[in-house]
Amino acid sequence: AQSVTQLGSHVSVSEGALVLLRCNYSSSVPPYLFWYVQYPNQGLQLLLKYTTGATLVKGINGFEAEFKKSETSFHLTKPSAHMSDAAEYFCAVSAYSGGGADGLTFGKGTHLIIQP
Amino acid sequence: DSGVTQTPKHLITATGQRVTLRCSPRSGDLSVYWYQQSLDQGLQFLIQYYNGEERAKGNILERFSAQQFPDLHSELNLSSLELGDSALYFCASSVAAGSIKTQYFGPGTRLLVL
Repeated sequence: AQSVTQLGSHVSVSEGALVLLRCNYSSSVPPYLFWYVQYPNQGLQLLLKYTTGATLVKGINGFEAEFKKSETSFHLTKPSAHMSDAAEYFCAVSAYSGGGADGLTFGKGTHLIIQP
Repeated sequence: DSGVTQTPKHLITATGQRVTLRCSPRSGDLSVYWYQQSLDQGLQFLIQYYNGEERAKGNILERFSAQQFPDLHSELNLSSLELGDSALYFCASSVAAGSIKTQYFGPGTRLLVL
């Protein structure tokens, strides 16, 4: 079984400041990790994903995340926040073990607020 | 626009009723997933279909069922509805089964049970 913990249900940063959204996971098998963003009244959009290989993953809109196995973490960062980054962010894990079953387990989400 | 379509966008119904939510995956995608998003439970995986066959079950209630048709569209059936079933229901699709494949989410169906 797998689980995801997102620290901080709300994070507020000033425009231009560093964005750091925290995600820790638990998985009994090597995980695949994802960050999704949800804008108001919209579906989820994939920001980035880690499957295997390079542990620093770059995504869309200037976001990146680093997979740290020793810390079971997959924190999301962006060097400089923009007003358009205000949204709900979800970290998700899938512990694929074959057979084609790969539903995602999501964290509770972090609401990112950008202060002008 | 992810290419995944869901109908209807909004649905209001009464307790005890039955509803059907419909999802059309992206062109070429064989795998369909259903998720429920509610304030108290967050985003939960319900069920996955691949090329017409059920692949995985998550936290899906026995009152809920789904199927994927030969044209690959999927329907989620919710019966004996309760107030607590009010939520946003998302469909997602991917080109195949397997976690390295990105899941693309539709805009969701918002269900309100009164």
